[in-house]
Amino acid sequence: AQSVTQLDSQVPVFEEAPVELRCNYSSSVSVYLFWYVQYPNQGLQLLLKYLSGSTLVESINGFEAEFNKSQTSFHLRKPSVHISDTAEYFCAVSLNYGGSQGNLIFGKGTKLSVKP
Amino acid sequence: DVKVTQSSRYLVKRTGEKVFLECVQDMDHENMFWYRQDPGLGLRLIYFSYDVKMKEKGDIPEGYSVSREKKERFSLILESASTNQTSMYLCASSPRMNTEAFFGQGTRLTVV
Repeated sequence: AQSVTQLDSQVPVFEEAPVELRCNYSSSVSVYLFWYVQYPNQGLQLLLKYLSGSTLVESINGFEAEFNKSQTSFHLRKPSVHISDTAEYFCAVSLNYGGSQGNLIFGKGTKLSVKP
Repeated sequence: DVKVTQSSRYLVKRTGEKVFLECVQDMDHENMFWYRQDPGLGLRLIYFSYDVKMKEKGDIPEGYSVSREKKERFSLILESASTNQTSMYLCASSPRMNTEAFFGQGTRLTVV
């Protein structure tokens, strides 16, 4: 069965410091990978995705993630965080094969707390 | 922009009531999903649908049913609400297999 593990449930960090949110997955077939962000009392918004091509993907607000097939990881990084990045971040996979219905499998989330 | 609209942001219902959560998407997406979100557990899939009148059970379907009579609308039904169904419910849609899903704002349901 497929699963997604987010290794840290909470990550406190100071403003302008770098951050890495870790995500590992297990799957017997190839996958597509996603990071979503959830601000308080809101739904989930897509932050970035890996479908194919370059293993390094970037978002418009400075986050990046790298697909590492050998380590089955898709860690999210930002070199300098802002207070406004405080949110919960979810890693998700969907299965890349013809019979897949496309539903996402989510990790349990990482709460990023940026302190001044 | 894709819009997924959930009919209520907050609901309070009594134990034993029949509860309907409605979700509408405006982008002609084939797939629609209902997730439940609880602290420390992440998002868990309740049901999904990949076509009108089609439905598939997710990981935690017990106590829930769904209805998809029109492509744009996907309803989650709690036949007899219980306190352990107090949660945040998130609806999502996607245009085809293995692309990203677009989420509604969520419905925070409290069963008393």
